[in-house]
Amino acid sequence: AQTVTQSQPEMSVQEAETVTLSCTYDTSESDYYLFWYKQPPSRQMILVIRQEAYKQQNATENRFSVNFQKAAKSFSLKISDSQLGDAAMYFCARLGAGGTSYGKLTFGQGTILTVHP
Amino acid sequence: GAVVSQHPSWVICKSGTSVKIECRSLDFQATTMFWYRQFPKQSLMLMATSNEGSKATYEQGVEKDKFLINHASLTLSTLTVTSAHPEDSSFYICSARAGGRYEQYFGPGTRLTVT
Repeated sequence: AQTVTQSQPEMSVQEAETVTLSCTYDTSESDYYLFWYKQPPSRQMILVIRQEAYKQQNATENRFSVNFQKAAKSFSLKISDSQLGDAAMYFCARLGAGGTSYGKLTFGQGTILTVHP
Repeated sequence: GAVVSQHPSWVICKSGTSVKIECRSLDFQATTMFWYRQFPKQSLMLMATSNEGSKATYEQGVEKDKFLINHASLTLSTLTVTSAHPEDSSFYICSARAGGRYEQYFGPGTRLTVT
């Protein structure tokens, strides 16, 4: 099975500080996409950041950036200058680009992020 | 743009009855829609993939006779939970993808409670 693993069930951070959420994945494909989604208490899934596997440059979206290590199959999310509104459950996901997993998202177990004022 | 709606947002039904959940893409044509199930504080589990005008493809372990999926138009997919039981109580989320694109856009989810 091509799995996505988030080894941190819960993380906490002080407001204005930086936190990194970990994610590893398993795949036999050379082309795929990786995502981080945020699910606040409303449970609406919100796309935080995306990374195309063929791109070596790490994606950045304002305070959110990733550390994509393709060989190690690692895709961590760094949140800088954390804000109270960042508190949510964060999911790492991989989108299959071929075979039976084409177009399907596989999610990690999720990490609950708490932001302390 | 890329808004997906779900209706209802919350439904309570009695055991043995059927309930239908709608998923609509409001401002784009969704050639593919996905249905997920999520238990509290757990991850999203893909139930099925539906392409407009075709039969849905169900993931292993998902009862296709219990979870009926219809994708009759490019903007609407429905999930019908037939003969619902308390163990079917969950949060159901749909997502939609436009043709030629890889990104999925998520609906706000539907909370189903079976009593």
